[in-house]
Amino acid sequence: GAVVSQHPSWVICKSGTSVKIECRSLDFQATTMFWYRQFPKQSLMLMATSNEGSKATYEQGVEKDKFLINHASLTLSTLTVTSAHPEDSSFYICSAPQQGLGNTEAFFGQGTRLTVV
Amino acid sequence: GENVEQHPSTLSVQEGDSAVIKCTYSDSASNYFPWYKQELGKRPQLIIDIRSNVGEKKDQRIAVTLNKTAKHFSLHITETQPEDSAVYFCAASRGSTLTFGKGTMLLVSP
Repeated sequence: GAVVSQHPSWVICKSGTSVKIECRSLDFQATTMFWYRQFPKQSLMLMATSNEGSKATYEQGVEKDKFLINHASLTLSTLTVTSAHPEDSSFYICSAPQQGLGNTEAFFGQGTRLTVV
Repeated sequence: GENVEQHPSTLSVQEGDSAVIKCTYSDSASNYFPWYKQELGKRPQLIIDIRSNVGEKKDQRIAVTLNKTAKHFSLHITETQPEDSAVYFCAASRGSTLTFGKGTMLLVSP
């Protein structure tokens, strides 16, 4: 299957700093990528849809100024958590859809464990 | 938008037993229903999927059934093994956006 690479896999940062997470589709182009947040033992919560060459679409309740998304190329989307606080600590995971025969399969990055201290 | 409900949230079985996880969806236009397995700290991996023009699909010990009229679909795992222990997510899709259920933590005891 297709490969989606996410970097870094884990990061620890101080409160008030910003953290950038990268999501790359390695062997296919993705005009759309999705960013999820996952709390321990909970489901994947869609935060935003990243659109290549245009603004991201944010889900209700997600602050666009806090979670900056940039999708500058067909293979790269970035999520920047700005002015991070301890409550932003979570597992962030991206996915990129690849169109198959009659359906679209989602391929996930390996996730980023963010800890804000 | 789409809403996906998944039950149960946790499921404990003995090795060799069967496990069934059920999901319902709200958008009748959804036409693709994948199931993902996520091991602790790892990315979700697709294990099986079904499209709306099919009622059942099987792959070795895993099967999925779909009832379009009732808008529900289920995952069936037979002869469970300890390595089946993980969190399983159902999802419903129309186009490229997936809506996930809340997940089921499956624990298979030896």
